[in-house]
Amino acid sequence: DIQMTQSPSTLSASVGDRVTITCRASQNINNWLAWYQQKPGKAPKFLIYKASSLESGVPSRFSGSGSGTEFTLTISSLQPDDFATYYCQQYNSYSYTFGQGTKLEIK
Amino acid sequence: EVQLVESGGGLVQPGGSLRLSCAASGFTFRNYWMHWVRQVPGKGLVWVSRINSDGSSTSYADSGKGRFTISRDNAKNTLYLQMNSLRAEDTAVYYCARATGPDPFDYWGQGTLVTVSS
Repeated sequence: DIQMTQSPSTLSASVGDRVTITCRASQNINNWLAWYQQKPGKAPKFLIYKASSLESGVPSRFSGSGSGTEFTLTISSLQPDDFATYYCQQYNSYSYTFGQGTKLEIK
Repeated sequence: EVQLVESGGGLVQPGGSLRLSCAASGFTFRNYWMHWVRQVPGKGLVWVSRINSDGSSTSYADSGKGRFTISRDNAKNTLYLQMNSLRAEDTAVYYCARATGPDPFDYWGQGTLVTVSS
């Protein structure tokens, strides 16, 4: 099974900061990588697919990059609404593994 | 507007069974793959099961193989998860989610809580 590892587990930042979350796959998943945002008590929200393609309606301050085994999610200028937990997910070969999550906290 | 509404969660004893439902609206349900994902409160997301658009193909995480059965009724726009031989470690919020084929999950329901406890 493909394992997904996110870092850091927790990230403290301020409004206006640029932040980057890393996701590593245990084997090559090409660019079959998605990112989700989840707020407490809510369902996850789909942000990015194919590692770097922004879902419709997602603000352009969100971006994704990477391929193979290493991927990043970058938020260029944090807004108050962005403080949440972020998950990566691989969807290679009909399996769907999530990373353990990165909690983005207000500093 | 796409809507996915889960139901059927609740308290069940270890070894018991439960059937979750996910009612879909606002899109052509029969055209989409559907998934179940669970989340222990305060913990991460874990994929549970997948069914293709016509129900002819399913897959399961190891944790549910032999105990869980995913199914769908395209005439009723409803997804199901039959869970048998439930264990304490199955306690979680269960979400249904939609996907366009083998793609990520673009819409999620609000979740239904399953608690397995004596």
